[in-house]
Amino acid sequence: GAGVSQTPSNKVTEKGKYVELRCDPISGHTALYWYRQSLGQGPEFLIYFQGTGAADDSGLPNDRFFAVRPEGSVSTLKIQRTERGDSAVYLCASRPGTGNTGELFFGEGSRLTVL
Amino acid sequence: AQTVTQSQPEMSVQEAETVTLSCTYDTSESDYYLFWYKQPPSRQMILVIRQEAYKQQNATENRFSVNFQKAAKSFSLKISDSQLGDAAMYFCAYRSTSGSEKLVFGKGMKLTVNP
Repeated sequence: GAGVSQTPSNKVTEKGKYVELRCDPISGHTALYWYRQSLGQGPEFLIYFQGTGAADDSGLPNDRFFAVRPEGSVSTLKIQRTERGDSAVYLCASRPGTGNTGELFFGEGSRLTVL
Repeated sequence: AQTVTQSQPEMSVQEAETVTLSCTYDTSESDYYLFWYKQPPSRQMILVIRQEAYKQQNATENRFSVNFQKAAKSFSLKISDSQLGDAAMYFCAYRSTSGSEKLVFGKGMKLTVNP
């Protein structure tokens, strides 16, 4: 696609529920990142995929968070037993595998609100 | 671990004037990338300008330029001829050229442009 697409744009859920957030990167981009941006803060790294595998998942806060990218394109961030502290904007970004200038191309994020 | 600090939470500038946004960072590495990203209300992070640490020449992109002081670990952004469309959150970010692929962001600064 023309840009990084994230769905849903907004998600409201209740504490304890399960949530999935989807990211469709720019076509041909092999690297994909998830970030979490809490209110008034800069984005914080969660996980990075190179192809289908998670190359760095050191930012996942706990085992309630999990992400997959089974075919090396679309990625899903999964949050189990949501807590109010999970409320944030979840940003996805991608970049080409070659010609790595470090620039990431971001989507518009998914705003998650946990009541 | 690398850290990025943006000490000014908010700034304002008159349309057509010049404004400088400050950023400092901490690292023990000698080669890295530095970025300024803009985040309008749409939430999408947009790259403004990029600097490679090994380059002594300051990066410029049209009305945007940086003052990169490697020894002082300072990376400020200058916006000339400010336009209403420049109003947004601005984030400074760091990325290593080896090892971790993740961007480390500052807390951001809100820029208001007054007509």
